[in-house]
Amino acid sequence: DADVTQTPRNRITKTGKRIMLECSQTKGHDRMYWYRQDPGLGLRLIYYSFDVKDINKGEISDGYSVSRQAQAKFSLSLESAIPNQTALYFCATSDFPGGQETQYFGPGTRLLVL
Amino acid sequence: SQKIEQNSEALNIQEGKTATLTCNYTNYSPAYLQWYRQDPGRGPVFLLLIRENEKEKRKERLKVTFDTTLKQSLFHITASQPADSATYLCAHSNTGNQFYFGTGTSLTVIP
Repeated sequence: DADVTQTPRNRITKTGKRIMLECSQTKGHDRMYWYRQDPGLGLRLIYYSFDVKDINKGEISDGYSVSRQAQAKFSLSLESAIPNQTALYFCATSDFPGGQETQYFGPGTRLLVL
Repeated sequence: SQKIEQNSEALNIQEGKTATLTCNYTNYSPAYLQWYRQDPGRGPVFLLLIRENEKEKRKERLKVTFDTTLKQSLFHITASQPADSATYLCAHSNTGNQFYFGTGTSLTVIP
């Protein structure tokens, strides 16, 4: 987990507020991902980036935006937070040893929207 | 789109027994499947990967099988220990693009 860090680890905010979750990695990987995890729904992909100039929407991107400031940094923003965005958010990086992609996850950010 | 299904939300077994977890996929056969372990409040950690042309892969007490006819992967933990208690996730990538994860199976090993 130390190779992929997320800040903050816990956040409470109010409906309508804009917040940013940050992710940094020291693994030197080009690919970075943002997921949210909800009980019974598993991990769902929000956005992913294959390099600094490449940003792609995932399965559930509505209400979210991202910024890839550098190879090592990938931030997730909630433009106007709503209660159903309460979830556990994970950042991940990946590489391709032998052509097979493996993901490395950060410790997660627990977000509560009141 | 591809759907990854993992059977049963929770599995309880006695210490020393073999735990078997199931992962089923619904559509196309993925090039490879992966298994991750997740402890409460932490991010998933990669355990094993198996390619579609491999029948079985082992790592210490872990064994994964891949049956493209049944569209299924089985994950076994032999000689299970209480420290093996965690949620186990099955996942695949559609070749260099997005990852799809199952909802996970929670395993509890009872001493």
